[in-house]
Amino acid sequence: AQSVTQPDIHITVSEGASLELRCNYSYGATPYLFWYVQSPGQGLQLLLKYFSGDTLVQGIKGFEAEFKRSQSSFNLRKPSVHWSDAAEYFCAVGMNRDDKIIFGKGTRLHILP
Amino acid sequence: SQTIHQWPATLVQPVGSPLSLECTVEGTSNPNLYWYRQAAGRGLQLLFYSVGIGQISSEVPQNLSASRPQDRQFILSSKKLLLSDSGFYLCAWSADRNEKLFFGSGTQLSVL
Repeated sequence: AQSVTQPDIHITVSEGASLELRCNYSYGATPYLFWYVQSPGQGLQLLLKYFSGDTLVQGIKGFEAEFKRSQSSFNLRKPSVHWSDAAEYFCAVGMNRDDKIIFGKGTRLHILP
Repeated sequence: SQTIHQWPATLVQPVGSPLSLECTVEGTSNPNLYWYRQAAGRGLQLLFYSVGIGQISSEVPQNLSASRPQDRQFILSSKKLLLSDSGFYLCAWSADRNEKLFFGSGTQLSVL
């Protein structure tokens, strides 16, 4: 069965430090990959997506992610975090054989001043 | 522009009562439609998705069902609610499988 794993439930980084959030998936074909962010009390906002082409994808708010087929990963990165980046981040995988989209359990990001 | 409406925003229901949550999309045609349940620490659990009228795929068959009676209407139902059905339910749509999801504002369901 298809699955999405975000191994880190919580991550704490200092403001200005770099960030990497991990996402691994299990799927027998090339998936469509997404990262969403949910700020407290807010809805989910798409940060970026990958479905073909360049495996390094640029998104909004200075985020980027890299698709690594050999590792079945789609890790999210940001070179320097801001206090406003404190939120919950969800990795999602879409299937190219049907229209299912499944989410990981999320990583909550905390920012130290 | 496209909009998604989901109601009610909150709902308190006794155990054993029926459930009907409705979601409608405006400004697009033939959307993919989704029902998710969000719980703290568990992310978004896909419950049902639909690619067309009357076409429902179930991921969590247990106590819930879904229907799509019209192109832009998606309904989540239960005949008899359980305590474990409590949670935050989100409806979402996308134009295609590789396109972003647009989410409704959600329904907080409490089963007592």
